[in-house]
Amino acid sequence: EAGVAQSPRYKIIEKRQSVAFWCNPISGHATLYWYQQILGQGPKLLIQFQNNGVVDDSQLPKDRFSAERLKGVDSTLKIQPAKLEDSAVYLCASSFGAGGTTDTQYFGPGTRLTVL
Amino acid sequence: EDKVVQSPLSLVVHEGDTVTLNCSYEVTNFRSLLWYKQEKKAPTFLFMLTSSGIEKKSGRLSSILDKKELFSILNITATQTGDSAVYLCAPGGSNYKLTFGKGTLLTVNP
Repeated sequence: EAGVAQSPRYKIIEKRQSVAFWCNPISGHATLYWYQQILGQGPKLLIQFQNNGVVDDSQLPKDRFSAERLKGVDSTLKIQPAKLEDSAVYLCASSFGAGGTTDTQYFGPGTRLTVL
Repeated sequence: EDKVVQSPLSLVVHEGDTVTLNCSYEVTNFRSLLWYKQEKKAPTFLFMLTSSGIEKKSGRLSSILDKKELFSILNITATQTGDSAVYLCAPGGSNYKLTFGKGTLLTVNP
């Protein structure tokens, strides 16, 4: 079974530039998550989708971050404009359902963003 | 605000040692607690715990949850160099939203 796919794996940009990350979840997984992991910290949830609807985006900095999952499968996370503090690894995860005792989140390899 | 505290933050042991990693939490509408192992890439799933006092085991790793005292431990026996990683604890609350701790960096020396 293929895992969660993410691209690009690495990205270096200058501050105030824009950047986009792509995620393709495990086939059949209805729920998709974007996390931000700053060096030395645990992942922090940015946004959770169930199919193409947003379940939780309470920690998404909406003035500069946006995300979509138009067809309920793959998803794009965008940052515009980027700030130095956005340097982090952006992890995508997916799970089968909306939650439950067997609803484990599986993570992709992440995109390491460096903002100069 | 949900809180997760993992201890110790880092630990250095020799191969063959046994280690215990701790996780205490305060999460609204607690549903489950997950442990992940993170090497230099994505976190990989280890355990999901939902009931107090029931130990989950996988090889040399085991974990248990105490919902009354709001903590969990992860034990690794007979450690190997391949166990070197960051171990993340993540309790799940409303909508099974996971709140991750900072992790415990385990280094196993030969």
